[in-house]
Amino acid sequence: DGGITQSPKYLFRKEGQNVTLSCEQNLNHDAMYWYRQDPGQGLRLIYYSQIVNDFQKGDIAEGYSVSREKKESFPLTVTSAQKNPTAFYLCASTYSGNTEAFFGQGTRLTVV
Amino acid sequence: AQSVSQHNHHVILSEAASLELGCNYSYGGTVNLFWYVQYPGQHLQLLLKYFSGDPLVKGIKGFEAEFIKSKFSFNLRKPSVQWSDTAEYFCAVNTGGGNKLTFGTGTQLKVEL
Repeated sequence: DGGITQSPKYLFRKEGQNVTLSCEQNLNHDAMYWYRQDPGQGLRLIYYSQIVNDFQKGDIAEGYSVSREKKESFPLTVTSAQKNPTAFYLCASTYSGNTEAFFGQGTRLTVV
Repeated sequence: AQSVSQHNHHVILSEAASLELGCNYSYGGTVNLFWYVQYPGQHLQLLLKYFSGDPLVKGIKGFEAEFIKSKFSFNLRKPSVQWSDTAEYFCAVNTGGGNKLTFGTGTQLKVEL
């Protein structure tokens, strides 16, 4: 089945540690996205990538980093510089700008 | 920079009432517009989309939306809501060339029996 896989579903980390969230898609989509979903704030764009080896900052990129070495994979690293990392993170992909975005099931990160 | 505004954060309706959720975007160029829905505990799914042609678009489950370019708006409508429409609704815009997909803050809809 084609789709987007995010892992893990739940993640706990100690404050000050970097953590990497995985996102893999087998839909042959060119564009991939990372969002953060907080109650009352909708989905805020962290980073997006239109093609391999290229990515752009979204609206809340500070404290996050990404890579796009393969078309299928777009991992997100939450660094210790992110002041409020506890959140629900969603990965998405699209074939092109006017096509539907497909979403992973999300990763809930809790930093203690 | 593009942005999306959804004015209604929480809406409560009785079954059979009509629904209209507002969405405005700020971007001067070509846009592709979307409405997504997130039912409790489920993934976001596409309700409808607009990228060209007839500005009145119809989606799944009886929803429709109208693109009014002069008002930078893409409001979602449904003539008669059902209890099963209880969900969170998100408006989104993707700029024509840049492929940056931006979402609004969402509207929580609760439909009461």
